Amino acid sequence: QVQLQESGPGLVKPSQTLSLTCTVSGGSISSGSYYWSWIRQHPGKGLEWIGYIYSSGSIYDNPSLTSRVTISIDTSKNQFSLKLSSVTAADTAVYYCARMWIAAHQFDNWGRGTLVTVSS
Amino acid sequence: NFMLTQPHSVSESPGKTVTISCTRSSGSIATNFVQWYQQRPGSSPTTVIYEDNHRPSGVPDRFSGSIDSSSNSASLTISGLKTEDEADYYCQSYDSDNQVVFGGGTKLTVL
Repeated sequence: QVQLQESGPGLVKPSQTLSLTCTVSGGSISSGSYYWSWIRQHPGKGLEWIGYIYSSGSIYDNPSLTSRVTISIDTSKNQFSLKLSSVTAADTAVYYCARMWIAAHQFDNWGRGTLVTVSS
Repeated sequence: NFMLTQPHSVSESPGKTVTISCTRSSGSIATNFVQWYQQRPGSSPTTVIYEDNHRPSGVPDRFSGSIDSSSNSASLTISGLKTEDEADYYCQSYDSDNQVVFGGGTKLTVL
């Protein structure tokens, strides 16, 4: 049973960089069938796709966040990461990592999510 | 890019049937698969429908999905409503540039 777990600071100061890591257990992040994804949910709001990365390093991300987003993958650690720069209060959200089955573009496995608050 | 539009909320009584729509703003709804996710308060989303109309194992057959090209929309239908179905539901699809889009979500109240 594959499990995903987000980790990182729960509080980030405005203008700084938000950094999160997703650790995948119970399966290999190098599996060819999946993209490894980041999704966020502002408090009381809907889901927003941030981006995803393939084990080869190919990345697709949301054009609205492209200039501030960096997604990377470390296959040796079975982890992938998100960096979001120049954060503001508008970036306060629950951040989820998720596995996306490429064939259907379905997010079939999600982490529990981690709340990141941007505040001084 | 495109948008997926869902009703903000729907409500229905236990035992009844409810349908939640998801309308694609541009591009054909039939070109790219649509998924539906259920999210209960404080929990991560889980898939109830994938590839337009397939149910993951463990999802009751009371849940069904469909596509209507004439209205360029997808629908999630839940029959025999139970109080445990009360949740937020999100549709999701993508485009040829691998851009993923979620609908705004529909709050289902079973009263």
